[in-house]
Amino acid sequence: GENVEQHPSTLSVQEGDSAVIKCTYSDSASNYFPWYKQELGKGPQLIIDIRSNVGEKKDQRIAVTLNKTAKHFSLHITETQPEDSAVYFCAASTDVSGNQFYFGTGTSLTVIP
Amino acid sequence: GAVVSQHPSRVICKSGTSVKIECRSLDFQATTMFWYRQFPKKSLMLMATSNEGSKATYEQGVEKDKFLINHASLTLSTLTVTSAHPEDSSFYICSAQMGGKTQYFGPGTRLLVL
Repeated sequence: GENVEQHPSTLSVQEGDSAVIKCTYSDSASNYFPWYKQELGKGPQLIIDIRSNVGEKKDQRIAVTLNKTAKHFSLHITETQPEDSAVYFCAASTDVSGNQFYFGTGTSLTVIP
Repeated sequence: GAVVSQHPSRVICKSGTSVKIECRSLDFQATTMFWYRQFPKKSLMLMATSNEGSKATYEQGVEKDKFLINHASLTLSTLTVTSAHPEDSSFYICSAQMGGKTQYFGPGTRLLVL
């Protein structure tokens, strides 16, 4: 089955700097890659997603890039703010898996004011 | 749009009792709902997938008699933890899909079994 790896597990950045979180996946059939933000004690919230027919997607300060050949995708957060501090999870999904998501292990992001 | 609620948000129960957690899609009809379990500082572990009107599909290692899932309507799924024990204490999260791939997550339910 699909195996998703996520790095780094923890990340600290100064406010205003950029943060990059990377994920790799193993199943070349994966075609949907969402990113979720989870604040302490809450459920994950979708922040951006990308499909395999697109190489990059941007939404204000957040962008996701996908390299299908290398089977990796990354989350980029620019001009980070303290409220960006949270745990971020990547996921991958294929049509074959019955829409099941395979999650990465999470990245705890701390933005230092 | 795409709001998912869970109830209760927090529950404390005695060992041996059963606890029911509700997951509702408030503004859309969910063709598929998922139940996850999350341990502190860990990723989400899929427990089961349920489609409205049919039996849930459980992941390997998840006891179906222990974690009863009912998906009686397109907006409601329930997870019942039967004969709960302290090791069942965890954060339980549901998500819902409305036909596409995107999963919308509920706020989670923290279960503490004494």
